[in-house]
Amino acid sequence: DSGVTQTPKHLITATGQRVTLRCSPRSGDLSVYWYQQSLDQGLQFLIQYYNGEERAKGNILERFSAQQFPDLHSELNLSSLELGDSALYFCASSKGIRYTFGSGTRLTVV
Amino acid sequence: AQSVSQHNHHVILSEAASLELGCNYSYGGTVNLFWYVQYPGQHLQLLLKYFSGDPLVKGIKGFEAEFIKSKFSFNLRKPSVQWSDTAEYFCAVDNQAGTALIFGKGTTLSVSS
Repeated sequence: DSGVTQTPKHLITATGQRVTLRCSPRSGDLSVYWYQQSLDQGLQFLIQYYNGEERAKGNILERFSAQQFPDLHSELNLSSLELGDSALYFCASSKGIRYTFGSGTRLTVV
Repeated sequence: AQSVSQHNHHVILSEAASLELGCNYSYGGTVNLFWYVQYPGQHLQLLLKYFSGDPLVKGIKGFEAEFIKSKFSFNLRKPSVQWSDTAEYFCAVDNQAGTALIFGKGTTLSVSS
């Protein structure tokens, strides 16, 4: 157990649907990051939050959004899903230069 | 924008062979550099990191990496690989300004016994 909890572990949904992925950071970590891992694109940085505020944006599609709540957990919302959104979505949290990764949510869009 | 380039997509070695995985980054400022390993079905685990000081960094499981600032490189090495080193390896960089960790595309290492 890394200390970062992601739920659900697996998700299968149809094209056009909307899903929410959840991440609870390691205790004491204020930053949360979301990444998408696919075979062709590798690990793509999507978005970062720090203590509830958006800090940095990467290659995040307009159909995707995220937020970090007062208790520091974060949710990644994916809407109008396409087949190409099938991937492993990782969450990480950090304190200084110590990054901790969750085990990911495997999203399959059918 | 920062970017990280890993030269080898897939490396196949026999046990006891030496390993070197290349990593170059592009960023003009001061960076922190990392190597992570991902075993099948598991989360990313830190192998080693560099943020200042001795450019030769030793990590877990016998891995080491050398930061060469003039070449913007941070290559990962291990003198003698084991079958259990079969995994995917990612080089990553952040820019010391608190913004995101950027990854290379990863190198799959397959070690045959």
